[in-house]
Amino acid sequence: RKEVEQDPGPFNVPEGATVAFNCTYSNSASQSFFWYRQDCRKEPKLLMSVYSSGNEDGRFTAQLNRASQYISLLIRDSKLSDSATYLCVVTGSSNTGKLIFGQGTTLQVKP
Amino acid sequence: NAGVTQTPKFQVLKTGQSMTLQCAQDMNHEYMSWYRQDPGMGLRLIHYSVGAGITDQGEVPNGYNVSRSTTEDFPLRLLSAAPSQTSVYFCASSYSGGRASGRARNEQFFGPGTRLTVL
Repeated sequence: RKEVEQDPGPFNVPEGATVAFNCTYSNSASQSFFWYRQDCRKEPKLLMSVYSSGNEDGRFTAQLNRASQYISLLIRDSKLSDSATYLCVVTGSSNTGKLIFGQGTTLQVKP
Repeated sequence: NAGVTQTPKFQVLKTGQSMTLQCAQDMNHEYMSWYRQDPGMGLRLIHYSVGAGITDQGEVPNGYNVSRSTTEDFPLRLLSAAPSQTSVYFCASSYSGGRASGRARNEQFFGPGTRLTVL
């Protein structure tokens, strides 16, 4: 079983739609959680960190459920520029700072 | 700041050849790492370093060597290239809370990647 699992998609949605991505992780001792965004043939960039209390950044909302080992990302009012691959990322249980990446979920927003 | 730079951007090797992928950062980050990205596999950690003089293996270290003689540079060496090493390689760095803790801060900054093909 992969340490971080995501539905690879693709998710094809119209502009203005709300779309949600989910991710599960296997290590219950994981300490930090993130969503990264990766555009085609580019490097990943941090989209947002994910906190137990949930957090919001504009149209983006991230949630963490430690009991179920589940992370989500909600995008409201999708824009064409949101088309990208979204990577779910967790740190390991040790304090080395290593990141473990899911394979990513691809989003295509259509006009 | 240039951020994280990687050279070359593209490389084609023949099986058995060796080469070094260069990575440098000018943000005074202590933590640096190398990943490879293959279709359907996500990013996998090859090697990482929590400070100059300290390196450790990641998930897929075989066939690769690293060294960290300065804070700025973290080269990745392919000892004898194999077709299975065809991939996109990303270098990343982040602030560390300190060498003693070995803990990296949240955000890792990635270089633009090196696209390597081994024939």
